[in-house]
Amino acid sequence: ETGVTQTPRHLVMGMTNKKSLKCEQHLGHNAMYWYKQSAKKPLELMFVYSLEERVENNSVPSRFSPECPNSSHLFLHLHTLQPEDSALYLCASSQVAPIIGQGAADTQYFGPGTRLTVL
Amino acid sequence: AQKITQTQPGMFVQEKEAVTLDCTYDTSDQSYGLFWYKQPSSGEMIFLIYQGSYDEQNATEGRYSLNFQKARKSANLVISASQLGDSAMYFCAMREGWITGGGNKLTFGTGTQLKVEL
Repeated sequence: ETGVTQTPRHLVMGMTNKKSLKCEQHLGHNAMYWYKQSAKKPLELMFVYSLEERVENNSVPSRFSPECPNSSHLFLHLHTLQPEDSALYLCASSQVAPIIGQGAADTQYFGPGTRLTVL
Repeated sequence: AQKITQTQPGMFVQEKEAVTLDCTYDTSDQSYGLFWYKQPSSGEMIFLIYQGSYDEQNATEGRYSLNFQKARKSANLVISASQLGDSAMYFCAMREGWITGGGNKLTFGTGTQLKVEL
C-alpha cells in the first residue's frame, strides 16, 4: 500500500463506547496529524506528533486520546463521546522540514478519513 | 479573524472549460506557503499545488496553476480543460509557521464545491 491509510472508514458508536481510529503512513514521514472536519466548518487541527513526540494539542477534550507508537502509526482513542463529535476525522503525515523556510518539502499528505457518527 | 477566505461556496463549469477558484488570505508574516487541496466525495484530501511567498513565478502542476498576487493577498487556483473527475471540494490552506519540535501548521478555508457539467 502507498500513501496514508485510515481504518475504519466508517464508525458508528454510542456515547458510552470506547473505540479507536487507526492511521498508517507509508511515505517515510516523521510527523503525523489528526484533524476534525465538521460540516460547514474549516478543518480543525487536533494533534501533531513529530518524531513520535506529541508537539501540539489544540485544546482537544480529554475524551480524545492520541497515541503514536512509531513514526508510521497514529491512533485516536475515543471514549464517552458526544453527538457533536460526529465528523470526518482525517489523518495526515509530513516530513519535518530540514530547514525552516520556503519550500514544499513538508507538505501534508492526507488519508481518506474515518466518518464517525456518535449516537 | 478568518485567515483564509474562499468566497465561492459553489461553482459550475462546463467540461473542457477553464475555471478559477478564489482564495484570499491574511497574514503579517513575510514567509508563508499556500496550498490547494482537492477533496472528492470519498473524503481524501489530495494535495494539488504549492506556492511559496517568495516564489517569483506562479506555480503550475499539469492542468493546475496558481494565480498568486502577493500585494492583493490572493492565491487563486486555475483549472484548465476541466474534466468530470474534477468535481470535488477544493480547499485553500496557508502554512504560517512551524511547530516547536517539528511539524507545520496549516489554516484552511471553508472550501469551494466545484461541479463540472457536460
